[in-house]
Amino acid sequence: SAVISQKPSRDICQRGTSLTIQCQVDSQVTMMFWYRQQPGQSLTLIATANQGSEATYESGFVIDKFPISRPNLTFSTLTVSNMSPEDSSIYLCSLRGLDGYTFGSGTRLTVV
Amino acid sequence: AQSVTQLDSHVSVSEGTPVLLRCNYSSSYSPSLFWYVQHPNKGLQLLLKYTSAATLVKGINGFEAEFKKSETSFHLTKPSAHMSDAAEYFCVVSGYADKLIFGTGTRLQVFP
Repeated sequence: SAVISQKPSRDICQRGTSLTIQCQVDSQVTMMFWYRQQPGQSLTLIATANQGSEATYESGFVIDKFPISRPNLTFSTLTVSNMSPEDSSIYLCSLRGLDGYTFGSGTRLTVV
Repeated sequence: AQSVTQLDSHVSVSEGTPVLLRCNYSSSYSPSLFWYVQHPNKGLQLLLKYTSAATLVKGINGFEAEFKKSETSFHLTKPSAHMSDAAEYFCVVSGYADKLIFGTGTRLQVFP
């Protein structure tokens, strides 16, 4: 099954700044997904990213706050923009492979 | 629309006793269902999946789940709990356009 390398694994950021999270896959995949896991909560889908087209955002998430890039079939980035303490969460990327869904190891973001 | 309900937010068992984590689902068509485990400060790991083949699904680490259409349930079981099973468990359904919908999670505690 595909392997995802996600980085950074964690970061502490000042409010008002932006952080870009990267996911690199060891094989080509059509769709990638970005999730948020707020403290003590379950995972919520932010957006679906297809290569060559705009990402599709779920209700409550907007492109200005969470811009996503998908320049090729093995790479995607999620940016958390103009951060506030409420953005403190774990962010994960995911893909669907033949065996099911694979997740990155997550980025633990703390905004101070 | 698809949804999952995990009936217990916390489950506590003694080591060596059976584990039962309950999950009910709602789906307008035959669903794909998954159980994922998340150990503290670790990524998500797939335990098992149901994709309309055998209704009794065996997963890793001795876990299994039974798909019961009449009860719309997909409960996770293990005959004998081990200390290393202590973690957060998520029941997940695959929805429209391969999006995953996560349950709220069940925290399993295992006492010696």
